[in-house]
Amino acid sequence: DAEITQSPRHKITETGRQVTLACHQTWNHNNMFWYRQDLGHGLRLIHYSYGVQDTNKGEVSDGYSVSRSNTEDLPLTLESAASSQTSVYFCASSVGGLTDTQYFGPGTRLTVL
Amino acid sequence: AQSVTQPDIHITVSEGASLELRCNYSYGATPYLFWYVQSPGQGLQLLLKYFSGDTLVQGIKGFEAEFKRSQSSFNLRKPSVHWSDAAEYFCAVVLMDSNYQLIWGAGTKLIIKP
Repeated sequence: DAEITQSPRHKITETGRQVTLACHQTWNHNNMFWYRQDLGHGLRLIHYSYGVQDTNKGEVSDGYSVSRSNTEDLPLTLESAASSQTSVYFCASSVGGLTDTQYFGPGTRLTVL
Repeated sequence: AQSVTQPDIHITVSEGASLELRCNYSYGATPYLFWYVQSPGQGLQLLLKYFSGDTLVQGIKGFEAEFKRSQSSFNLRKPSVHWSDAAEYFCAVVLMDSNYQLIWGAGTKLIIKP
């Protein structure tokens, strides 16, 4: 069955370190999204991609970057981790754009000390 | 600014009772509307969506939602909840304007009393 996976599921890091969160989908979807989830805020879009070599900034992109070298993967990099980036991160993919159903990964809980 | 409001942070319902979760949006035109559910420790799953047509939409797991344009609402309902419905529920809206953005509500946590 097609799926979307994220790794690691839990990560503890220190302030200032570079961190990369992996997202891999076997749906063959063109569109991929990264969100962060914080209590009281719901989901906030960090970056998204509509295809290979395409990346776009979302609502809360400062301090994050993504690259899309193939259809299956959209890694999220925190260039210099900050305590404010402690959160749960979700990756999602869809066939169409924002109006289409999104399929979510299980999430990565990141703690920045 | 456009927004999506889920007024209830938590709702507690007895097993077998009916459920209504509220969602309101502030936007002039009719947006695309979604309800997602997040079970503990898992990602989100689509329950249902509304784009146009019949304003009463049926979804998975026995859920339905009704779009009311006059109230800018898209409330989620279930006639009889099961313990397995305990989860967090998110309303989301796609605004079909120049920004073309997806906005999420803050979520409502559903607690089921035995």
